[in-house]
Amino acid sequence: AQKVTQAQTEISVVEKEDVTLDCVYETRDTTYYLFWYKQPPSGELVFLIRRNSFDEQNEISGRYSWNFQKSTSSFNFTITASQVVDSAVYFCALSEMDSGTYKYIFGTGTRLKVLA
Amino acid sequence: DSGVTQTPKHLITATGQRVTLRCSPRSGDLSVYWYQQSLDQGLQFLIQYYNGEERAKGNILERFSAQQFPDLHSELNLSSLELGDSALYFCASRPTGGPEAFFGQGTRLTVV
Repeated sequence: AQKVTQAQTEISVVEKEDVTLDCVYETRDTTYYLFWYKQPPSGELVFLIRRNSFDEQNEISGRYSWNFQKSTSSFNFTITASQVVDSAVYFCALSEMDSGTYKYIFGTGTRLKVLA
Repeated sequence: DSGVTQTPKHLITATGQRVTLRCSPRSGDLSVYWYQQSLDQGLQFLIQYYNGEERAKGNILERFSAQQFPDLHSELNLSSLELGDSALYFCASRPTGGPEAFFGQGTRLTVV
């Protein structure tokens, strides 16, 4: 069965520290997609990144970086030099084709608190 | 701004009442998904529509129903509301051929 596990319920860091949010997924499909979404205190869900199962190249976008490793079924998210504005709940999600349409499975989220 | 518009942003209603949540997907997106986010439940998939037709159903209660109209906007109808229905309801749209889902700002429903 498909599953996304975010074992870290809540993480607190001091501003300028680096922080890594873990995501482990389970799937039997060979083609799938992985996502990270950010949910700030205002509530909206903001799309951050998508990775395809056939592309293990890591990605960096400013202070954000993502490490995708198929061997360990992990898609971890690192924020470098964290800022207070990074405080949010972060969701990892897995998407696969199911009966001709995309299905999304979300992890339970990791609440990140960045303290000034 | 994701391009997905949800109205209203906030809704307070009494138990037993019926409400309608509205979603306008991104221009050109044919797929619409509805999710419920409760405090203790995380993001729960409710239902998906594609170009007016229901494509997938998740943990949607019988008291809830949805539809997608010819102009592609979607409505989620919640009836006989209970206190436990209080949650953030999200709509997401997905471009044809693409796997990304873009979410609206959500409708926060409070049942009192």
